[in-house]
Amino acid sequence: EAGVAQSPRYKIIEKRQSVAFWCNPISGHATLYWYQQILGQGPKLLIQFQNNGVVDDSQLPKDRFSAERLKGVDSTLKIQPAKLEDSAVYLCASSSLHPTPGLAGPNEQFFGPGTRLTVL
Amino acid sequence: KQEVTQIPAALSVPEGENLVLNCSFTDSAIYNLQWFRQDPGKGLTSLLLIQSSQREQTSGRLNASLDKSSGRSTLYIAASQPGDSATYLCAPGKAGTALIFGKGTTLSVSS
Repeated sequence: EAGVAQSPRYKIIEKRQSVAFWCNPISGHATLYWYQQILGQGPKLLIQFQNNGVVDDSQLPKDRFSAERLKGVDSTLKIQPAKLEDSAVYLCASSSLHPTPGLAGPNEQFFGPGTRLTVL
Repeated sequence: KQEVTQIPAALSVPEGENLVLNCSFTDSAIYNLQWFRQDPGKGLTSLLLIQSSQREQTSGRLNASLDKSSGRSTLYIAASQPGDSATYLCAPGKAGTALIFGKGTTLSVSS
């Protein structure tokens, strides 16, 4: 079973520039999450999708961050304009309500490799 | 609001030791709890998933226990190896919602 794919792996931009990240979840996973992980901290949720609808975006800085999940599969997260404090690792995760025997429990979340963003 | 605390923040042990990582959480109304491993510069790897109705789960040298009523989980690593060096994160979750993470325990196992 292929894992969660993310690109790019690394990105360096100047402040006030824009950047976009892409995520492809595990096939069949209806729920997709974007987390932000600042150095030395645990991941923090930015936005959660169920199929192509938003479930929770309460912690998404909507003045600069946006995300979409067209057709309920791939997702993109965009930052415009970027600030210095946006430097972090952006992690995408996916889960299914239904267990896969021997592979995954219900609501078990699987993470991609992340995108490390540096804002100069 | 769920808050997760992991103790210790860092741990250094010689190879072969058995060790325990602790996780406490403030809201015991959880659906499940996951333990993850994170290597430097990498994403999170799911190690163990414990449903709220379960008391423990085992995978190889790893054993995780859950005491939901007291808001505690422990990850036991038997016969530690240098390859176990990483940051370990625990994350309780409610059904269909995002996980809440602690800051993790950074483990270093020396040969």
